[in-house]
Amino acid sequence: KNEVEQSPQNLTAQEGEFITINCSYSVGISALHWLQQHPGGGIVSLFMLSSGKKKHGRLIATINIQEKHSSLHITASHPRDSAVYICAVLYRSNYQLIWGAGTKLIIKP
Amino acid sequence: NAGVTQTPKFQVLKTGQSMTLQCAQDMNHNSMYWYRQDPGMGLRLIYYSASEGTTDKGEVPNGYNVSRLNKREFSLRLESAAPSQTSVYFCASREDARSYEQYFGPGTRLTVT
Repeated sequence: KNEVEQSPQNLTAQEGEFITINCSYSVGISALHWLQQHPGGGIVSLFMLSSGKKKHGRLIATINIQEKHSSLHITASHPRDSAVYICAVLYRSNYQLIWGAGTKLIIKP
Repeated sequence: NAGVTQTPKFQVLKTGQSMTLQCAQDMNHNSMYWYRQDPGMGLRLIYYSASEGTTDKGEVPNGYNVSRLNKREFSLRLESAAPSQTSVYFCASREDARSYEQYFGPGTRLTVT
């Protein structure tokens, strides 16, 4: 079993829909990182969080440390949100990042 | 600031050839990382350098060597390329080993035929 599991693996939705991507992990962590990878490959950081909730524009990330679970939400989704969204956890014992496999999101106009 | 830069962006090698992927960062970060990304899999750590002068193996180090040339530069060498090393390679850096946020280069797409 992978230490970081993302779901779904693939998600196709219509423009305007509310999107949720989930990340579950099985190790003790210091923080969780959500990143976005666009077609063409570049990886950019969206959020780092260790508790609660963070919001940036139409993106919201939440984390529940007790349940070892985080969600990334996109409100009023747009075709430009189409990308791979990657969850990574900062492993508390050695500060290495453990990566999820990513969720490929396609938003259709 | 350029952030993290990688060269080349694309490379095609024949089996058995060697090459070095270059990475540099201008953020004065102590820690640098090399990952490979394969379809359907998460990023996998090849090697990392927690600070200048140190390097350590990651999850998939076989077939690779690294050099932390100075604080800015961290290179990845394939001595004898194999088709299994066809992948996209990302370099990344962090302020230090305990920092939360990691910054990525644009990637190198390597094909070994």
